[in-house]
This record gives sequence, C-alpha cells and structure tokens, in this order.
Amino acid sequence: DTEVTQTPKHLVMGMTNKKSLKCEQHMGHRAMYWYKQKAKKPPELMFVYSYEKLSINESVPSRFSPECPNSSLLNLHLHALQPEDSALYLCASSQELTGGVDEQFFGPGTRLTVL
Amino acid sequence: GENVEQHPSTLSVQEGDSAVIKCTYSDSASNYFPWYKQELGKRPQLIIDIRSNVGEKKDQRIAVTLNKTAKHFSLHITETQPEDSAVYFCAASARSASKIIFGSGTRLSIRP
Repeated sequence: DTEVTQTPKHLVMGMTNKKSLKCEQHMGHRAMYWYKQKAKKPPELMFVYSYEKLSINESVPSRFSPECPNSSLLNLHLHALQPEDSALYLCASSQELTGGVDEQFFGPGTRLTVL
Repeated sequence: GENVEQHPSTLSVQEGDSAVIKCTYSDSASNYFPWYKQELGKRPQLIIDIRSNVGEKKDQRIAVTLNKTAKHFSLHITETQPEDSAVYFCAASARSASKIIFGSGTRLSIRP
C-alpha cells in the first residue's frame, strides 16, 4: 500500500462542535505531518510527528490538537474552531527525518467548512 | 529560517512549447529541493526532486536544475501537454530540518 488515506473527505462543523480528522498510512513511514491549505496558497505546516512524538508545532492555536496513537495513524482533534479555519487539511508522511526530510506523500485532504 | 521565492505566479504556454518555473532560496544549508504538482481539487504529488550534490536531474519531459552558488533552482517542462495544467510548488529543506518550506506556487495553463 503506497497511499496516505484521510477521512472524512468533507466536514462541515459549527463553532461549538468537536470533531476529528483521521490519517492513515501503511508504508512504514515514521514521520507524519499535518498541513493546512487555503485556496491558491501553498500547504502551511502545522505539526510534525517523528517516531510518534511531536517534534514540531508551528505555533498552532490550541483549538487544534494532534494525536499520534501509533506509527500508522495520525489524528487532528478540532474544537471551537473559527470560520477562518475553513480550509483543506492535508496529512503527509515520509520515511523518517534522520538526515533530513525525504519525499513526502500527501493524502487527499479533508475539506473543512466552519460555520 | 529558510525562505523560498517562486516566479512566475501564473504561466500560460502553447501546447508543445516549454515552460520554466524559477525558485530562489535563502538558507545555504538547504540540500533537498522537491517539486510538487497539484491539480485542481487533488493532493500535491512529487514530480521530481534534486539534492545539492547534483546540478541537474531529468525524468522524461521534466528536468530540474540547481545552482547552489546563486541559490537558484528551476523546473523545466518540455513538449507541454494539456495534462500539465496544474499548480506547481517548489520547496527547499536543510539536512538539519524536519520540514520543507514551500514556494508560493505557479499556476501553469497549457493553451491548445
């Protein structure tokens, strides 16, 4: 399996809701990433996990909470989001970070709309 | 930290012609330079990458060149086809870093 999968594909939530985004890969990759992408912009890094430990948090607001339950799974828990958080949320994985970044494989993304 | 600039922001070429997209980076420690293609509504996909120990890499109609002295790298697409229409992102990463820094993107349109 050479794909990164993400669920759900689309999510609409209110500002008081709690929801979670899920990402899965079975390529044995040990680095996983969450990105946020607004229309006509590049992906913006949010979090990096290396060997299931959080290694980078790009000063993301606490209403976004990442979790890496095991080496294949990555979650992003959402709570009390704002309309400006509406975006495409992309998960990615790469083999590992020892010696620097290698090819990142992206999932198809979750299109999030906050009402 | 690293900063990557990408030009042009939009590019329209006649089918069959060549397209060139240019990027500059600021961190001389950067040693990995991937290029991603993102079609409308799809995920970014790696199309080619180059490391700082080589100056050029080719894969069929796509080539990337790297000038470490000038901190420039470029994507060249020859014999463009309609399916090349997409947004292209360059990126750079240093050996010590755990992330890649993206350029702002180039929207490439191929005119029939």
